[in-house]
Amino acid sequence: GAGVSQSPSNKVTEKGKDVELRCDPISGHTALYWYRQSLGQGLEFLIYFQGNSAPDKSGLPSDRFSAERTGGSVSTLTIQRTQQEDSAVYLCASSLISYEQYFGPGTRLTVT
Amino acid sequence: GESVGLHLPTLSVQEGDNSIINCAYSNSASDYFIWYKQESGKGPQFIIDIRSNMDKRQGQRVTVLLNKTVKHLSLQIAATQPGDSAVYFCAEKGGNQFYFGTGTSLTVIP
Repeated sequence: GAGVSQSPSNKVTEKGKDVELRCDPISGHTALYWYRQSLGQGLEFLIYFQGNSAPDKSGLPSDRFSAERTGGSVSTLTIQRTQQEDSAVYLCASSLISYEQYFGPGTRLTVT
Repeated sequence: GESVGLHLPTLSVQEGDNSIINCAYSNSASDYFIWYKQESGKGPQFIIDIRSNMDKRQGQRVTVLLNKTVKHLSLQIAATQPGDSAVYFCAEKGGNQFYFGTGTSLTVIP
């Protein structure tokens, strides 16, 4: 079956521009996570959605970052006024029971 | 705060040998742990998990050991193959969040 998909796979943007990253989770998965992975680093938790509950936004690094999940399915991560330190791979994962996560291939964001 | 650390950033093994990748965690309340494999340019792939009420779990060619006394987790890969070359992450679950280590890069020498 289809796994988690993310788009775009690569994004190059100028400093100060806004970007939107998209995640399509596995159908039926109620939990969705966003992570950020800098070069040679582990995964940094950003935000977690579970069903219709209020999202856990505790990992968002600044108010320039926001995410939404429409209809309990597709999620969009938005970064406003991008900075060079935002350059990283942004990974999305979904799970059915909030334990075993299935990751997408990630979006590589480069801010010039 | 949470911290999950790995003892070695790189590991090289001969093909056919067994590999052991270690991980330390700090939150004694964590009740679930996962090992992931990440190949270049791809997202992490689930390998094996273990709950805190267990100390050992086996999969296909992989075994995870959990020592709660010293807060240590290890991943053993039997008969390591070239396709096992990747970065391996451990992660612990605390509340809604998963906390990941920085990863160990495993290189299999043919």
